[in-house]
Amino acid sequence: QVQLVESGGGVVQPGTSRRLSCEASGFTFSNYDIHWVRQAPGKGLEWVAVICYDGTYEYNVESVRGRFTISRDNSKNTLYLQMNSLRVDDTAVYYCARGVTGSSGGPGGWYFDLWGHGTLVTVSS
Amino acid sequence: QSVLTQPPSVSAAPGQKVTISCSGSSSNIGNNYVSWYQQLPGTAPKLLIYETNKRPSGIPDRFSASRSGTSATLGITGLQTGDEADYYCGTWESSLSGWVFGGGTRLTVL
Repeated sequence: QVQLVESGGGVVQPGTSRRLSCEASGFTFSNYDIHWVRQAPGKGLEWVAVICYDGTYEYNVESVRGRFTISRDNSKNTLYLQMNSLRVDDTAVYYCARGVTGSSGGPGGWYFDLWGHGTLVTVSS
Repeated sequence: QSVLTQPPSVSAAPGQKVTISCSGSSSNIGNNYVSWYQQLPGTAPKLLIYETNKRPSGIPDRFSASRSGTSATLGITGLQTGDEADYYCGTWESSLSGWVFGGGTRLTVL
């Protein structure tokens, strides 16, 4: 079964750290860029970060730069998001999503064709 | 405040047609492909449209999309109650070297 399954969410205090995981199955994980997208309660989608298929480059949104690190272990078919210095406004459901590079051959043609079910991170004192 | 602007809500009767706009600029929609996502209540987003106007397999042809300049539009015909969901546009924002989503549009089928 082709799927992505996130884990690692929970309730954490501001200023602390948390690591999320996203395990892939049913497809060749090492062939795909993988993204993290989050959604605060009652709000819209916010792209967080991407790591390319072989881990040689990544991009992230400015609001998490210097605090969040995306990584992957292709031998374990697993994506990670290390979140440090967590803030209340990081509270969200975190989704991993498989990225496809379309006919443009670069980020301008990206789209997300497979999503996990999400894991909720609540940052609260 | 997203760099892509969508109307917060749209509504129409069953069987009718609705369009959802997504307005951007030359650094995003104007020079990059757009994709659209449907998020049914309580579920993860699902890809509806990629590369501006292409449908993945399994997406009915009631869903279509287009782009004109720096704006994109999603169209849904033959509305069904099961189409009630939040719809998001997204694209690469060259000035930020990052991906951006629109704020989302809630579709109500009256």
